[in-house]
Amino acid sequence: DTEVTQTPKHLVMGMTNKKSLKCEQHMGHRAMYWYKQKAKKPPELMFVYSYEKLSINESVPSRFSPECPNSSLLNLHLHALQPEDSALYLCASSQVQKKNIQYFGAGTRLSVL
Amino acid sequence: SQQGEEDPQALSIQEGENATMNCSYKTSINNLQWYRQNSGRGLVHLILIRSNEREKHSGRLRVTLDTSKKSSSLLITASRAADTASYFCATDATLTSYDKVIFGPGTSLSVIP
Repeated sequence: DTEVTQTPKHLVMGMTNKKSLKCEQHMGHRAMYWYKQKAKKPPELMFVYSYEKLSINESVPSRFSPECPNSSLLNLHLHALQPEDSALYLCASSQVQKKNIQYFGAGTRLSVL
Repeated sequence: SQQGEEDPQALSIQEGENATMNCSYKTSINNLQWYRQNSGRGLVHLILIRSNEREKHSGRLRVTLDTSKKSSSLLITASRAADTASYFCATDATLTSYDKVIFGPGTSLSVIP
């Protein structure tokens, strides 16, 4: 099983809403990632978890709050987002020793109204 | 600044033709990878080439790496309509304290049936 599952596929939220994005993998990977991708741009790294601990935060605004409750799950909690946060949010996972080979989910298309 | 940059930004070819995409990067690397992304989907890892390798093949894919020029190329032979996608090179820089992968801006490939 080389699948990374992201839910929901689409999300529309207002600027005062609180929502969460979920990501799940069962490949035994202990590194998990959140990326943000705008149209026609490359993915931009947001957060990296290694062994369920946050190892990289790329200066992401606090309205994005990641959580890694166990080795298979990764969440991204959203609160008070801005319209410019509308994007495709991608989750990925990898072996800790092979961070350059990442497996991506299909993403959550987020629209902030 | 971005570690990798692709050219061309967009490429349109007829089915059966070969497609060549180039990637340049700025700092020393351990490895360089190529990923494919179909429209609105997650990225799929295609091939990895190590800094001490010059050429690598995988099916219809051929990747070259020239570390003296800090550049790589991806050749897709006998293209098919299903190859229509965006292609990103990604590098893991050796000179940063962060153990992360950085994606180039990507080449959008259209294969016309």
